[in-house]
Amino acid sequence: AQTVTQSQPEMSVQEAETVTLSCTYDTSESDYYLFWYKQPPSRQMILVIRQEAYKQQNATENRFSVNFQKAAKSFSLKISDSQLGDAAMYFCAYSRGQETSGSRLTFGEGTQLTVNP
Amino acid sequence: NAGVTQTPKFRILKIGQSMTLQCAQDMNHNYMYWYRQDPGMGLKLIYYSVGAGITDKGEVPNGYNVSRSTTEDFPLRLELAAPSQTSVYFCASSPPGKNEQFFGPGTRLTVL
Repeated sequence: AQTVTQSQPEMSVQEAETVTLSCTYDTSESDYYLFWYKQPPSRQMILVIRQEAYKQQNATENRFSVNFQKAAKSFSLKISDSQLGDAAMYFCAYSRGQETSGSRLTFGEGTQLTVNP
Repeated sequence: NAGVTQTPKFRILKIGQSMTLQCAQDMNHNYMYWYRQDPGMGLKLIYYSVGAGITDKGEVPNGYNVSRSTTEDFPLRLELAAPSQTSVYFCASSPPGKNEQFFGPGTRLTVL
């Protein structure tokens, strides 16, 4: 079974600075996807960024980027120029590659990010 | 498009009561999922469906039932509510060929 581990229950960052959230995973599959989801106090799950395992290039979405280390099974999220609106719980998640049962997600336990003004 | 909708937003149940959490999506997605999120934890998969008439268990199915009679709807049934089922429940859907899930706003359920 796949597992996802987030070892930082809480992190804090000053506004405009950079923060990195850590995630490790365990799988025997070669075809899979990794995700970072943001959950603000509204509870809505918002997809931040997605990485396909077969792509060597790290995914980037505006101020959000990942450091995907496939051999080490590590998938960290870097938030640059942090903004107050980035404060939220962040979840790392895994799903197998294309299969007939859809994209079932396995989540880590989350990292609560605080942004200080 | 409304996306994924869930009703109710909040509910308090007494131990032993039953209820159905409703989920609907208007994106014509084949795949639908139910997750639960306990306080301070990540989401865990309860049940999922690959299409109308087809459902399967996820990681934590005990105490729940589902049905999928149409592409749009995927209700979750709690037959005998227990305090351990106090949680936030999320429904999600995804289209075939894309590993991206669209989440509903969640239902906060308290069992007393």
